[in-house]
Amino acid sequence: QVQLVESGGGLVKPGGSLRLSCTASGFSIIDYYMTWIRQAPGKGLEWLSYINSSGRTIYYADSVKGRFTISRDNAKNSLYLQMNSLRDEDTAIYYCVRDDYMLSDASDIWGQGTMVTVSS
Amino acid sequence: DVVMTQTPLSLSVTPGQPASISCKSSQSLLHSDGKTYLYWYLQKPGQSPQLLIYALSSRFSGVPDRFSGSGSVTDFTLKISRVEAEDVGVYYCMQRLHLPFTFGPGTKVDIK
Repeated sequence: QVQLVESGGGLVKPGGSLRLSCTASGFSIIDYYMTWIRQAPGKGLEWLSYINSSGRTIYYADSVKGRFTISRDNAKNSLYLQMNSLRDEDTAIYYCVRDDYMLSDASDIWGQGTMVTVSS
Repeated sequence: DVVMTQTPLSLSVTPGQPASISCKSSQSLLHSDGKTYLYWYLQKPGQSPQLLIYALSSRFSGVPDRFSGSGSVTDFTLKISRVEAEDVGVYYCMQRLHLPFTFGPGTKVDIK
């Protein structure tokens, strides 16, 4: 079964750090760009970052640039998001997403999400 | 950043009736490769978003043919020919031509 499973969310104080992981099963992530998208409570979707297959091409939204780092380990079939200098406004559900070039890079597989709460 | 707007922001539909959601982008989403990088996603209550339409008008695998996407350049529409109870949720348009990629605010669809 093709799926993505995120982990690593939790409660963290402002200024703290957290590392999210996303493990893929049923397919090899080496064949795909991968993306992180988040959703603040009761709000819409916000694209955060993507990484190409090799890991050499990376883009970030301005809201997380310089604080968050996306990475991947194709051998472990996993995607990561290192989040530093966390702020209250980073509180959200974080989704790991597969982008399929065969579908014009559409995000076709989404994880169930992991909740990150930033609060003192 | 490209701003995506959606109208209406909420929609109440009688089952079996059609529904339409408009999405506008502040910049053209037509690439020189001829594709329009506009997508539609549905987030059902309590679930992760799911892909409905990619590249303006292509239905994702398993998406019923009552869903259709159309439009051009900066104006786009998602149509549901006959709404069913399972179609409730929030519909988002998204562009992925210009970085950072951006979503519309979402249109909440419920059943009358």
